[in-house]
Amino acid sequence: VKLQESGPGLVKSSETLSLTCTVSGDSMSPHYWGWIRQPPGKALEWIGYVYHTGSTNYDPSLKSRVTISVDRSKRQFSLRLRSVTAADTAVYYCARMLTVESGGYYMDVWGNGTTVTVSS
Amino acid sequence: SYDLTQPPSVSVAPGQTARITCAGDNFASKSVHWYQQKPGQAPVLVVYDDSDRPSGISDRFSGSNSGNTATLTISRVEAGDEADYYCQVWDIRDHLVFGIGTRVTVL
Repeated sequence: VKLQESGPGLVKSSETLSLTCTVSGDSMSPHYWGWIRQPPGKALEWIGYVYHTGSTNYDPSLKSRVTISVDRSKRQFSLRLRSVTAADTAVYYCARMLTVESGGYYMDVWGNGTTVTVSS
Repeated sequence: SYDLTQPPSVSVAPGQTARITCAGDNFASKSVHWYQQKPGQAPVLVVYDDSDRPSGISDRFSGSNSGNTATLTISRVEAGDEADYYCQVWDIRDHLVFGIGTRVTVL
């Protein structure tokens, strides 16, 4: 399984960040597909996930600005983050998310990541 | 918000054992997962569901979870193990949470 992020590396402040992750080597069902970011020099931050059916779950801190969607025919899922600021500058990763019996999720396959800079 | 506490750094000599802790509330009811991230690279899953290893991960990596602390143990440490290590859990309120990361330095 391979994941590849794509999208603009530079976004203007107050505009919308849009990224796409292309999946190869696996079917999109029955998995969850997630986005994670990492600001420069900081820890990983979970953004949210989309299930292959299209249902979503987002981090509460970003929920008002985020939309994650899936296009199974293209084997792609996408991230849209509205009203970006400098604080959204980060490396953005897409990942396949698996579940555990006790509840919860983890990421077993990651894309290489793409750097997005928000300019003023 | 749900917080995970990791030591910022751990130093270990080659051939010795490194132990990285991750603390949080009600860990006994959660599964803990661990990722290794080398500079400029994407994270790699090294332990999932407290103590399981993905295919292809060295058996020098092991995990445990007891009480309110989970531990990632790296046995017979090698220079190539130098990286940042993140623990991660799922919390029903805050959803997916990462620790702040622990920098492992091989002396």
